[in-house]
Amino acid sequence: GAVVSQHPSWVICKSGTSVKIECRSLDFQATTMFWYRQFPKQSLMLMATSNEGSKATYEQGVEKDKFLINHASLTLSTLTVTSAHPEDSSFYICSARTLIERYNEQFFGPGTRLTVL
Amino acid sequence: AQKITQTQPGMFVQEKEAVTLDCTYDTSDQSYGLFWYKQPSSGEMIFLIYQGSYDEQNATEGRYSLNFQKARKSANLVISASQLGDSAMYFCAMREGQNTGNQFYFGTGTSLTVIP
Repeated sequence: GAVVSQHPSWVICKSGTSVKIECRSLDFQATTMFWYRQFPKQSLMLMATSNEGSKATYEQGVEKDKFLINHASLTLSTLTVTSAHPEDSSFYICSARTLIERYNEQFFGPGTRLTVL
Repeated sequence: AQKITQTQPGMFVQEKEAVTLDCTYDTSDQSYGLFWYKQPSSGEMIFLIYQGSYDEQNATEGRYSLNFQKARKSANLVISASQLGDSAMYFCAMREGQNTGNQFYFGTGTSLTVIP
């Protein structure tokens, strides 16, 4: 199956700093990647849809200037949490869409656990 | 209205028994896909099974089967012969339309605990 990696798997940072999370499709080209956040014991909430070479589409209530998304290549999308605050502490998961026809599902990365002190 | 509803926050099942996790969905699209994912404590989302809206047969993947009742808009997951490793969160999801790039709508999840 298609493999998606995320880096780092966990990060602890001080309030006010910026954190970059990478999402890579390792063995396929991903024209579309999705970024989710998940609070403890809650469901995944879509933050934004990232298309290669174009601006990301953000869900209502998600601050574009705070959560910067860049999808510069067919295998890499990045999420930068700018000026992070403790309330940004969460589990961030990316997923990627493959054009391989037999696959219907999105392939998820292993997630990044962000803790802001 | 919620697109995906999972009414069971937590479920317990005896090892080797079967368990059904409920999922109902709401859409006006004729074409859609239904998915189940497993999320262990490590956090990774593991794809389990897929059912297309036009599929006449219920999907099966090993010990997982999807009880698809289109008229009732339900897509329950059945896990047979439960194992201790099945303890995890389970999420039902739906993708509307035929475009695999369309967003997924997730339910709130069901926490399954398998008892030895």
